[in-house]
Order: sequence, then C-alpha cells, then structure tokens
Amino acid sequence: QVQLQESGPGLVKPSETLSLTCTVSGGSINNYYWSWIRQPAGKGLEWIGRIYTSGSTNDNPSLKSRVTMSVDTSKNQFSLKLSSVTAADTAVYYCARGNTGRYYDYWGQGTLVTVSS
Amino acid sequence: AIQLTQSPSSLSASVGDRVTITCRASQGISSALAWYQQKPGKDPKLLIYDASSLESGVPLRFSGSGSGTDFTLTISSLQPEDFATYYCQQFNSYPLTFGPGTKVDIK
Repeated sequence: QVQLQESGPGLVKPSETLSLTCTVSGGSINNYYWSWIRQPAGKGLEWIGRIYTSGSTNDNPSLKSRVTMSVDTSKNQFSLKLSSVTAADTAVYYCARGNTGRYYDYWGQGTLVTVSS
Repeated sequence: AIQLTQSPSSLSASVGDRVTITCRASQGISSALAWYQQKPGKDPKLLIYDASSLESGVPLRFSGSGSGTDFTLTISSLQPEDFATYYCQQFNSYPLTFGPGTKVDIK
C-alpha cells in the first residue's frame, strides 16, 4: 500500500520560504506525477503544482512563480518550496500521487503550515 | 483557468436518502472530472474518475455521470459514513482546479 508523509516546519515567517518534503513508501516514486495541494482552514482545495520523476514540472500561475519543486528518486522523496510567503499561504499542505497525472489516488495526511511572525 | 461550481453548497439528508450533487465547468472538459470525499481533519479520498469510473474499493452506491460542462455525483442510499464534504476536480487543462465543495450533513 502506497503511503505519503509530509514533513517540514509548521511555522514560517512572512517573506520567508516555505519548504516541505513528501516521503513515499510502499511503492516506487518512479514513473508517476507527484503534486502539492493546499487547503486553508474551512476552505476548498487549491492545486499548487506537480512534478514528474524526470523533473518536469507544472505549477499554478496564481502563485506567481513562487513555486519550486524537486524530486529525489534515490530517497523516494519530492519537495516543495514556496517563496515570499504571506498569511494567505497559511494552510494544510497535502502531497498526492497523480494517477496518469490527472487525478489523485493517494494522499498524505496533510501538514499545517502557519505563516506568522 | 477552468472554474468549477458545485450545487448545492450544502445539504441535509437522512440515512437511506438518494443524494445528487452537481458540478458545472466554465468550459467543456470532456470527461476529465474526478470526485473526492473529505471528512473533517482527513485527506480527500478519490471516489470517481473520468466522470463515471468508480475507484477500486469505493461502494457501488456512489456513481458519477456527465460530460462536457455538466456532471453529477449520486449516492443512491446515503449511509452514516457518507456524511462529509464532496469536491469535484477537473483535469482537462492546467492549472488543475477543484470545485468549492458540497457539505452533506445529517438532517
């Protein structure tokens, strides 16, 4: 059974960079798309972006080029960096596996990241 | 970006009721739509993909239909474990987008 686990700081200061890692277990990270999706408290889901194991990426233009994603196949991990954060970036961040890159069949449990000084 | 709207935004229903949730896309997306169920404090769970294909392990009381711009998720006989928020998601074009959600609670 594939499992995903997010890790990273739960508190980030405004204007700094949010960094999260997702560790995949129970299956190979190879030949799949891997995504980040976030959810502010009490609100809906927002797609942040995706990375293929080759390293190719797509991200959401609404985040104004603040997103950097990377993948480390040797560690079965992929990562997210979101720069210049503000309070509006406070949310639960999920990592997820994209089945054929289109919809999400495995999700992490989510990690709350709060942006505050 | 393709906008998705869902109706209703919330509904109250009883165990055994038939429940229908609608998702409308701002432009045609063929059958590139998925449905998820999310319970409080939990990650979303995939129910339906390609508008009408049931994900493995999902009960048969869940079904999806539609193509183009109009889609529905139907729960044929609501069970206690089905009280949750339901989201649609389009994967026709980037950025991928989700609907605002429909909360199903107990009448």
